[in-house]
Amino acid sequence: GQQVMQIPQYQHVQEGEDFTTYCNSSTTLSNIQWYKQRPGGHPVFLIQLVKSGEVKKQKRLTFQFGEAKKNSSLHITATQTTDVGTYFCAGHSGNEKLTFGTGTRLTIIP
Amino acid sequence: DAGVTQSPTHLIKTRGQQVTLRCSPKSGHDTVSWYQQALGQGPQFIFQYYEEEERQRGNFPDRFSGHQFPNYSSELNVNALLLGDSALYLCASSLGLAGPYEQYFGPGTRLTVT
Repeated sequence: GQQVMQIPQYQHVQEGEDFTTYCNSSTTLSNIQWYKQRPGGHPVFLIQLVKSGEVKKQKRLTFQFGEAKKNSSLHITATQTTDVGTYFCAGHSGNEKLTFGTGTRLTIIP
Repeated sequence: DAGVTQSPTHLIKTRGQQVTLRCSPKSGHDTVSWYQQALGQGPQFIFQYYEEEERQRGNFPDRFSGHQFPNYSSELNVNALLLGDSALYLCASSLGLAGPYEQYFGPGTRLTVT
C-alpha cells in the first residue's frame, strides 16, 4: 500500500533559524495536504497543493509539490516559538484513503 | 460556527471491553472520517462515512465499526479491546466525497486500555 515518509523525524532549531521538512510518497499523489499538530493538540489543516510543481506561500511558510507529484516540502523562514509542533504531510493517491506521513517534530530553542 | 466536537475527552477501559466514541462534524460538513493516532505517530485512517454508509476503510480489523446518523454525526465502536488499542482517536469532517478537500479535526478522544 501507499507509504508516506517524512524527514527529518525531529528538528531542533534556534529561534530565528530556518526549518525544512521533506515528504516522500511511494506512489504518485493526486494532492498533498499539510497539517500542524501542537503538543497535546489535534492536526490543523494548513494548505493543499494539487498541481505538479506548485508552490504556495503563507507568510513565513513556503509549500512545494514536486514535479512528479511524489514529494513535497515545507519551509519555514525565521522560526518563532509559535512554530513548535509536529508537521504532517498527507496525500491521496487516486481514490485511496488519505495517508499521513510520519511527521517532523519541530522544537525551538529560544 | 461550531467546529468538530468529540466525546468523551478521555476514557479508560479494560481489555475485552467495548467502547463507543462520538463525533459531531463541523457545521455544513457531511463526511466524517475516523483516525487512530498512537503516541509519536501520524494519524492512521480507520474509515470514512458519507450518506450513512462506510465509503472507505483502512487496515483495521472488524472489531472497529462505525455508524453515521442522518444529522451527519458519527460513532466509532471498538469491541474486544486490546492494550494496543490505546491511542488518540480523531474524528475529521469534510464536505462531500469528490476531492480534493481539507479535513477539520476534532480535539480527539484519548483511550487508555488497561
